[in-house]
Amino acid sequence: QTVVTQEPSFSVSPGGTVTLTCGLSSGSVSTSYYPSWYQQTPGQAPRTLIYSTNTRSSGVPDRFSGSILGNRAALTITGAQADDESTYYCVLYMGGGGVFGGGTKLTVL
Amino acid sequence: EVQLVESGGGLIQPGGSLRLSCAASGFTVSSSYMSWVRQAPGKGLEWVSVIYSGGSTYYADSVKGRFTISRDNSKNTLYLQMNSLRAEDTAVYYCARGVGAFGLDPWGQGTLVTVSS
Repeated sequence: QTVVTQEPSFSVSPGGTVTLTCGLSSGSVSTSYYPSWYQQTPGQAPRTLIYSTNTRSSGVPDRFSGSILGNRAALTITGAQADDESTYYCVLYMGGGGVFGGGTKLTVL
Repeated sequence: EVQLVESGGGLIQPGGSLRLSCAASGFTVSSSYMSWVRQAPGKGLEWVSVIYSGGSTYYADSVKGRFTISRDNSKNTLYLQMNSLRAEDTAVYYCARGVGAFGLDPWGQGTLVTVSS
């Protein structure tokens, strides 16, 4: 069974840039997996950031961007702000349905 | 404004059944694809099921054969029928509209299902 992998945790300084990634336990992520990204803070429903690899959801600032880097999907946050401190999830389309990664807890300090 | 409101969660004994509802407004459920996603307490997100506009359905292996996704076009509502519930099905269940190729946007606020004796 294919597992979607994400860094368990990451930290970034305020104003800095961070790239979170989303990979596969076996194989490479391509645009055919239609990667999407979600931000979640405790007690809240997820917020959609990016879908179809690099399309920003309505209202999402352009400092959030999605791409494919090498064999992984990537979410880059530029100019990190304190309220970016959240858990970020990716999901990949596979065989009609989806598989989420385990999430990356981002700390801004 | 596009909005999703889940309901139907609660406390249920192992082996029991429950039906979740997701009332949609601002768009037509039948012309979109719709998903259910769940989150166990303190855990990450888990995709559960999807229904496409043409009616095709898919399920996570963990719920296949026990859960059924459906929609009522006249009520513009999505459902998740959950049978043979287990303790490990305890989670907040979210519904979400499909966007793009396999995006989920927006999400409802979620409804908590607790499976316990």
